[in-house]
Amino acid sequence: NAGVTQTPKFQVLKTGQSMTLQCAQDMNHNSMYWYRQDPGMGLRLIYYSASEGTTDKGEVPNGYNVSRLNKREFSLRLESAAPSQTSVYFCASSEWGDGGQPQHFGDGTRLSIL
Amino acid sequence: DAKTTQPTSMDCAEGRAANLPCNHSTISGNEYVYWYRQIHSQGPQYIIHGLKNNETNEMASLIITEDRKSSTLILPHATLRDTAVYYCIVRVAYNTDKLIFGTGTRLQVFP
Repeated sequence: NAGVTQTPKFQVLKTGQSMTLQCAQDMNHNSMYWYRQDPGMGLRLIYYSASEGTTDKGEVPNGYNVSRLNKREFSLRLESAAPSQTSVYFCASSEWGDGGQPQHFGDGTRLSIL
Repeated sequence: DAKTTQPTSMDCAEGRAANLPCNHSTISGNEYVYWYRQIHSQGPQYIIHGLKNNETNEMASLIITEDRKSSTLILPHATLRDTAVYYCIVRVAYNTDKLIFGTGTRLQVFP
């Protein structure tokens, strides 16, 4: 059972280049999320998708776009990468419903922008 | 979502119980308490969550005070592999499902 799979695991970009980070989950979850984590800090929410066909901004959405391709896949795009976007990016998914469903995370994409 | 306060770091001897406190004095009646941990640079790992009652699973126990203003995560027999940053998060379960991470407690388990 793979859970949440993120690709690529590592990437180096030059300033101004574009890139799409991929995320797929095999748990049939409705909700998916993208977070970033900077050194020594907690995770911050970039965008989320409560269900297929919907996306919403999180805490730090500027400079990013997302696409909920289907129920399994949620991609994050950097249109014009900036050094400030150097970070570790985590994708997560959860079931939708009462009872406090936990989020399950992927292993992250480490992105460096020169 | 309510704010949480955790100690920056804690130590624990291997084999002993690790008790990680969390203060959430502004928690609302419909907010759950969640615990996650992050080992080195891996993705956060869900541990346990609860609303009012104490909870236990194969990883840990969660003790929530009667007034719900604080909680304690208990790792009953800590191992070196439990060395990680532990995050206490409170959130409304059904609303947007967003998690707001603070800086957590860095637990160091020593031999």
